Amino acid sequence: DQQVKQNSPSLSVQEGRISILNCDYTNSMFDYFLWYKKYPAEGPTFLISISSIKDKNEDGRFTVFLNKSAKHLSLHIVPSQPGDSAVYFCAASADPSGNTPLVFGKGTRLSVIA
Amino acid sequence: DTGVSQDPRHKITKRGQNVTFRCDPISEHNRLYWYRQTLGQGPEFLTYFQNEAQLEKSRLLSDRFSAERPKGSFSTLEIQRTEQGDSAMYLCASSLAPRGNYGYTFGSGTRLTVV
Repeated sequence: DQQVKQNSPSLSVQEGRISILNCDYTNSMFDYFLWYKKYPAEGPTFLISISSIKDKNEDGRFTVFLNKSAKHLSLHIVPSQPGDSAVYFCAASADPSGNTPLVFGKGTRLSVIA
Repeated sequence: DTGVSQDPRHKITKRGQNVTFRCDPISEHNRLYWYRQTLGQGPEFLTYFQNEAQLEKSRLLSDRFSAERPKGSFSTLEIQRTEQGDSAMYLCASSLAPRGNYGYTFGSGTRLTVV
């Protein structure tokens, strides 16, 4: 039972363009969402998060949008750079204090082509 | 502090053998998590500790798996009588509660191959 779904296994984008990575969730108790980035042979690293009380959070080139009614979030990267090529995981939690562990999606492999 | 350290980075073992992995969290972090990642999947939760107390275990953690965190510092994850299905990347993460999820820092993982 996949509670966090990333339906696109891979995405290719030209350098300088926008990358949009999507994530859907099924558990209505989730109220805190995070994106992690993973390079080969390394552990995932935290990228950006959003609480359910917001619909947008921005950090430099990275913006996360949350649509609670649709149970959908997306990560926008503008402009995309070759160094952004990695696997991106969407994660969710029902408790931002960490009392319930994060639930991860399967990931989307982003390739930014120079 | 060099972040979360995991040892070994790679482990190849024969089916039926026991293996033990170690995780050293960020020193001031009181929470420590173990996740498993198989090919094409995201990290799947196994268990977590707050200080030395093991607070939650996933149904994925069969009775062949045991985790400890003596004295609330480093943690070990042992797999007894390994099976080929145990082949995966085992990830450790730590955080400082109650800041919790925002402060999840992962190690580089231990890749287990059971032959």
